[in-house]
Amino acid sequence: EDKVVQSPLSLVVHEGDTVTLNCSYEVTNFRSLLWYKQEKKAPTFLFMLTSSGIEKKSGRLSSILDKKELFSILNITATQTGDSAVYLCAQTSYDKVIFGPGTSLSVIP
Amino acid sequence: KAGVTQTPRYLIKTRGQQVTLSCSPISGHRSVSWYQQTPGQGLQFLFEYFSETQRNKGNFPGRFSGRQFSNSRSEMNVSTLELGDSALYLCASSARDRNSPLHFGNGTRLTVT
Repeated sequence: EDKVVQSPLSLVVHEGDTVTLNCSYEVTNFRSLLWYKQEKKAPTFLFMLTSSGIEKKSGRLSSILDKKELFSILNITATQTGDSAVYLCAQTSYDKVIFGPGTSLSVIP
Repeated sequence: KAGVTQTPRYLIKTRGQQVTLSCSPISGHRSVSWYQQTPGQGLQFLFEYFSETQRNKGNFPGRFSGRQFSNSRSEMNVSTLELGDSALYLCASSARDRNSPLHFGNGTRLTVT
């Protein structure tokens, strides 16, 4: 059965730290890998990755995909308390979207 | 551009009842998908509609059904509610291209007592 795994499941860091969140997948008919940030309600879109080795950046966040090893990482540099959230990755294929369990990140002052 | 709108925001129902949730996608988006989110199971795919047709379906019982209207608005129905149906139900819309990212609404929090 297709599966998306995220690690760690939970993480506590201090403001200013750099964090790396991991996402591995084993889904057939891969189309894209998506990252979302979920605070209270709606997951908000961060990145969509389709090609290996091309880093996507948005401010202090960046992400990259390795299609050979079937994983992606999300990096957050100089973390702030506002980065506290659950980070979800999801893999899309031709007929479905499968989400991982999420990484709960807590950034303490 | 207005985002994805879900109504109602909160619902409390009793076991055995049925419920209908509504989702209005972002203007121009023709694909609408539904997800159930619970602490134990995470985000699970329910179904996807495109141009009024169900395109894909997740592993949920037949008590869960949906439909999409010609204006792309979608409804999800759950019949014979069970306690385990208590969850946050999220709707997401995307553009026509299946490789477009999903944009989520704020969800409907359903509590079954």
